[in-house]
Amino acid sequence: GAVVSQHPSWVICKSGTSVKIECRSLDFQATTMFWYRQFPKQSLMLMATSNEGSKATYEQGVEKDKFLINHASLTLSTLTVTSAHPEDSSFYICSVTQPRTSGLPSEQYFGPGTRLTVT
Amino acid sequence: GQNIDQPTEMTATEGAIVQINCTYQTSGFNGLFWYQQHAGEAPTFLSYNVLDGLEEKGRFSSFLSRSKGYSYLLLKELQMKDSASYLCAVADSNYQLIWGAGTKLIIKP
Repeated sequence: GAVVSQHPSWVICKSGTSVKIECRSLDFQATTMFWYRQFPKQSLMLMATSNEGSKATYEQGVEKDKFLINHASLTLSTLTVTSAHPEDSSFYICSVTQPRTSGLPSEQYFGPGTRLTVT
Repeated sequence: GQNIDQPTEMTATEGAIVQINCTYQTSGFNGLFWYQQHAGEAPTFLSYNVLDGLEEKGRFSSFLSRSKGYSYLLLKELQMKDSASYLCAVADSNYQLIWGAGTKLIIKP
């Protein structure tokens, strides 16, 4: 399986500031990374699909100008929460998936997550 | 619309067996995943089913019936460390994962 890291593990910021979260694929080159958000006692909500060298694909209802995604290399994707508000407080998780070789989907390997608290 | 249903919470006894069900309605089907998620941690992959039948992997087994839109995860010889949420996810026709809300499993001694 793939090893994925995220930094920071947790962050507390003031309302109105911006926060950058890094997701790194440590042992293989990931052309595609996914960003999820999870509120307490709820399931994962896909925010966007990050594609290396191109613009991210955002899910319906996710503001692309608020959640900036940059996938500048095959091992690093960043999510920047701009002008954060308390309602953005959540658990943000990235994942990578290895390319499909058999026409079947591959499992996703998740980073450890970043807990964001906006005060 | 697309929908994944799982029970919200289940309780079982250490050493026993528990079955967690998942029903789905999706636009297309390219397989069903089960993930385990401990509180405050990211999900970890447990199993993948794309054909009907039972896949066994140690204490954990996963079953799929495509005609019924149904799967279950079977956990045997339960241990306290199995206390976690179990997430069912289906890959739709675009290979996008549709996630269930998860089943919180509580193990009692």
